[in-house]
Amino acid sequence: KAGVTQTPRYLIKTRGQQVTLSCSPISGHRSVSWYQQTPGQGLQFLFEYFSETQRNKGNFPGRFSGRQFSNSRSEMNVSTLELGDSALYLCASSSPGTGVGGYTFGSGTRLTVV
Amino acid sequence: AQSVSQHNHHVILSEAASLELGCNYSYGGTVNLFWYVQYPGQHLQLLLKYFSGDPLVKGIKGFEAEFIKSKFSFNLRKPSVQWSDTAEYFCAVNAPGNNAGNMLTFGGGTRLMVKP
Repeated sequence: KAGVTQTPRYLIKTRGQQVTLSCSPISGHRSVSWYQQTPGQGLQFLFEYFSETQRNKGNFPGRFSGRQFSNSRSEMNVSTLELGDSALYLCASSSPGTGVGGYTFGSGTRLTVV
Repeated sequence: AQSVSQHNHHVILSEAASLELGCNYSYGGTVNLFWYVQYPGQHLQLLLKYFSGDPLVKGIKGFEAEFIKSKFSFNLRKPSVQWSDTAEYFCAVNAPGNNAGNMLTFGGGTRLMVKP
């Protein structure tokens, strides 16, 4: 059974640019959540999508956005990149059968903003 | 909003030593509690979770955790660690009464190094 797939694995972008990250959840999982992981702030919740609807949003500026498609694949977008956006972005999927918070995480996309 | 504290940032143990990692959360309502582990070079994996019932929960690889409601704690334990337990451990909380959906609030993590 394939795991959660995140692409690309690594990205280098320049300040002011925008970036789109992709996440393919485990087949059958309809909930996709995104987290930002940094050495200073740890793991912080960005947003959760379920059946193409944003169900929750963390405390991040509007530059961070996401969406989910009918096949449950999700993308997140960061516009007007800042140096502080450099982080590992993790996607996690779950289903009602896995219970609340019973995530399967992807390996992440490491974004470096220069 | 809830928060999670893991007091030990770094722990070094010898093989066969007992492990206890602290986790405290701040939220007055019902909570779901989790421990996740991140082995070097691997993705985050769920170790165990508590929703309700027996406050002592057993997870994979011999880990267990005890929920003490009066102390707002959910400490992780293992009676005898192995070198392969070297990893970073994260405690997390979900507050279902807060319309949290699947949202988890994570602690800052504890890096465990087990010396062979």
